[in-house]
Amino acid sequence: QKEVEQDPGPLSVPEGAIVSLNCTYSNSAFQYFMWYRQYSRKGPELLMYTYSSGNKEDGRFTAQVDKSSKYISLFIRDSQPSDSATYLCAMSARGSSNTGKLIFGQGTTLQVKP
Amino acid sequence: KAGVTQTPRYLIKTRGQQVTLSCSPISGHRSVSWYQQTPGQGLQFLFEYFSETQRNKGNFPGRFSGRQFSNSRSEMNVSTLELGDSALYLCASSGGLATNEKLFFGSGTQLSVL
Repeated sequence: QKEVEQDPGPLSVPEGAIVSLNCTYSNSAFQYFMWYRQYSRKGPELLMYTYSSGNKEDGRFTAQVDKSSKYISLFIRDSQPSDSATYLCAMSARGSSNTGKLIFGQGTTLQVKP
Repeated sequence: KAGVTQTPRYLIKTRGQQVTLSCSPISGHRSVSWYQQTPGQGLQFLFEYFSETQRNKGNFPGRFSGRQFSNSRSEMNVSTLELGDSALYLCASSGGLATNEKLFFGSGTQLSVL
């Protein structure tokens, strides 16, 4: 079983819809949670970075972390065709043995149709 | 501020050859991490360098090696290439002073092994 599970999709929604993307994880040591967006033939771009449990909002994006359930979510409001990309969740644990080391989900491919 | 720069963007090699990939981090960043991305395994951590020292290493064979120079630029080398080494190789940089800083990725080097 992978440490981080993410439904690969693809997920197709109409423009303006609210999108919900999710990941589950098994390692209770994870304390830092990230969402990256990756366009085709590009590197991952950091969207959200959160520490421990709670919510964080940035424009149309909201990240939620529920450590008790080992479940994280990314919500995209008023989705646009330009949001069409692969969304990757990533996590890391504290400590010197984890420097630079993120554990990624498989990524969810999102298509927003005009 | 310029982002993470990786060269070359594309490489085609044959089995048994070796290859060297280059990464220039964001100005002021001292930590460089390397990742391999494949459709089957997703993004996997290779190693992390800080101040010319390898601080962390993933579960890859010894054919995969790296180094970092005094200007924080980093190179990754893969010797005796195998077909399974075909992947997108991504470099990420961070300040490096804390263990869980945000990672910023380059666009990657697409390696094809024939």
